[in-house]
Amino acid sequence: GAVVSQHPSRVICKSGTSVKIECRSLDFQATTMFWYRQFPKQSLMLMATSNEGSKATYEQGVEKDKFLINHASLTLSTLTVTSAHPEDSSFYICSARAEPTDTQYFGPGTRLTVL
Amino acid sequence: KNQVEQSPQSLIILEGKNCTLQCNYTVSPFSNLRWYKQDTGRGPVSLTIMTFSENTKSNGRYTATLDADTKQSSLHITASQLSDSASYICVVSPAYNTDKLIFGTGTRLQVFP
Repeated sequence: GAVVSQHPSRVICKSGTSVKIECRSLDFQATTMFWYRQFPKQSLMLMATSNEGSKATYEQGVEKDKFLINHASLTLSTLTVTSAHPEDSSFYICSARAEPTDTQYFGPGTRLTVL
Repeated sequence: KNQVEQSPQSLIILEGKNCTLQCNYTVSPFSNLRWYKQDTGRGPVSLTIMTFSENTKSNGRYTATLDADTKQSSLHITASQLSDSASYICVVSPAYNTDKLIFGTGTRLQVFP
């Protein structure tokens, strides 16, 4: 149980385009999901907390207008990287909290490459 | 200074050997401490979880220990396999906000035949 999926697993796009990444909890409902970014040889950095039915909470330094988060249902959160630039190239990982515990289950990640 | 520090940064061992990874943390109080395995290009997968009152937890060939007095944890891998090659991350969940996981810098383990 407690499986989290992400789609796509990897995406290559041109600079200036927008990319949407989906995060789904497959066998449990998640009121809260999290989006992380990981650069090579670095640890995961929390970008934002996604709350179902309300606005996401962004970490300091993360532009909310650039990284749009929508948590429309208890099993789906999406991250849209708008007007992507090469510096946005990274590994994006989502997690979903399995309530009533505080355990976060991580997705397999999405590799974004912006040319 | 990172609140969760791991050592060594990288480690190379031969298949079948044992190894121990270290995690020192300053987060206090904390709710739980987890060890994750992250394969290259994949998301982290939980290996063990310990609350502040637990001293040890095993999961197959993985055994984690926790010393809350010295704020140290270790992950011992027994009879290593080639598939153990991955990054191992120590993650502490602070009591003041269990959602704000504090990640260690990880140990990159390579197991050679």
